[in-house]
Amino acid sequence: DQQVKQNSPSLSVQEGRISILNCDYTNSMFDYFLWYKKYPAEGPTFLISISSIKDKNEDGRFTVFLNKSAKHLSLHIVPSQPGDSAVYFCAASQGGGATNKLIFGTGTLLAVQP
Amino acid sequence: DGGITQSPKYLFRKEGQNVTLSCEQNLNHDAMYWYRQDPGQGLRLIYYSQIVNDFQKGDIAEGYSVSREKKESFPLTVTSAQKNPTAFYLCASSIPPLNTEAFFGQGTRLTVV
Repeated sequence: DQQVKQNSPSLSVQEGRISILNCDYTNSMFDYFLWYKKYPAEGPTFLISISSIKDKNEDGRFTVFLNKSAKHLSLHIVPSQPGDSAVYFCAASQGGGATNKLIFGTGTLLAVQP
Repeated sequence: DGGITQSPKYLFRKEGQNVTLSCEQNLNHDAMYWYRQDPGQGLRLIYYSQIVNDFQKGDIAEGYSVSREKKESFPLTVTSAQKNPTAFYLCASSIPPLNTEAFFGQGTRLTVV
């Protein structure tokens, strides 16, 4: 049972345009969401996060939006740059307690065309 | 430089042999994690440890074993019981509870022939 889903395996956008990566989750107990960026044969690196008490968090070119009623979050990158080309993973956690752990989605491969 | 180190980057083993993947961190993080990445399946949790001398099974623990004798180290053994061991293995650490970023190592590509 996939609790965190990224239904688009890939996305291609032109340089300078907006990239929108989507993520859906099923567990209403998740209270923290993170986006990671991953290049081939490397470990993921943290990009941006959002707590369930917020609906938007912005950091430079990156903005994450959370819609709790729809159990949906999205990552907006604007303007997109060729260096943004990577696999993006959405992750969720249920805060507190000894069993706290990150649940990852399947990833979306973003290709930014020059 | 603080960080998390996995070694080796590439590892080849014959079928039926146990193999141990190393993960060391100097970030003073209490929690450490092992994930496996397969094409089209994202990152799946194998084992995690919130504190020294304690660890918990993740979603796909069968065929794997871990130990956490030191805060800095969380080695993963892939045993012969693991049906499909060829994969990219990622180790991570964090300060629990996990509402902050986890730091990942560079990964180990294990190929079993």
